[in-house]
Amino acid sequence: KQEVTQIPAALSVPEGENLVLNCSFTDSAIYNLQWFRQDPGKGLTSLLLIQSSQREQTSGRLNASLDKSSGRSTLYIAASQPGDSATYLCAVYTGTASKLTFGTGTRLQVTL
Amino acid sequence: DAGITQSPRHKVTETGTPVTLRCHQTENHRYMYWYRQDPGHGLRLIHYSYGVKDTDKGEVSDGYSVSRSKTEDFLLTLESATSSQTSVYFCAISESTGGTFADTQYFGPGTRLTVL
Repeated sequence: KQEVTQIPAALSVPEGENLVLNCSFTDSAIYNLQWFRQDPGKGLTSLLLIQSSQREQTSGRLNASLDKSSGRSTLYIAASQPGDSATYLCAVYTGTASKLTFGTGTRLQVTL
Repeated sequence: DAGITQSPRHKVTETGTPVTLRCHQTENHRYMYWYRQDPGHGLRLIHYSYGVKDTDKGEVSDGYSVSRSKTEDFLLTLESATSSQTSVYFCAISESTGGTFADTQYFGPGTRLTVL
């Protein structure tokens, strides 16, 4: 059974810092991994999707890496801004189970 | 943003009452999904659809049914609501290039349901 863990559960950083969010999964036979952000009271917004054959994906100040063999993904946020404050979730798809398996998220606060 | 709307956005109902939540998309995407989000459990899949009239169960489907008579609409019905179904419900859609679950999922704004 796939399990997805995100550590830390919460993180507070001053504006301008570069930061890394972690996602680990127990079954390395994944098809892809997605990163989402969720603002309070809102739905999820897709940030990046990494296929199993890829090592990383970039979008603006965001860079997501994937290491299948070690069961890890990281989301790197450069030059953080208060608008980056949200909960960040990762989700994996194994290609066999008919679902995405979500982590419980990292709640990020970027302070002025 | 993907064109996904959910209605109602908030609903309070009583135990034993049937409830229907609606998800409407304007993207013409093939795949549609219903999730619930609860503290401590994260997001869990209730049901999903891979085409008109084609649906399947997710990991927490007991007490829920779905219907999809048109590409753009996916309905979630609680036949007889219980307090354990108090939750935030999200609809999601994805394109068909890679198959069910294989592509980026786009989420609606959610419906907050309270069952008293």
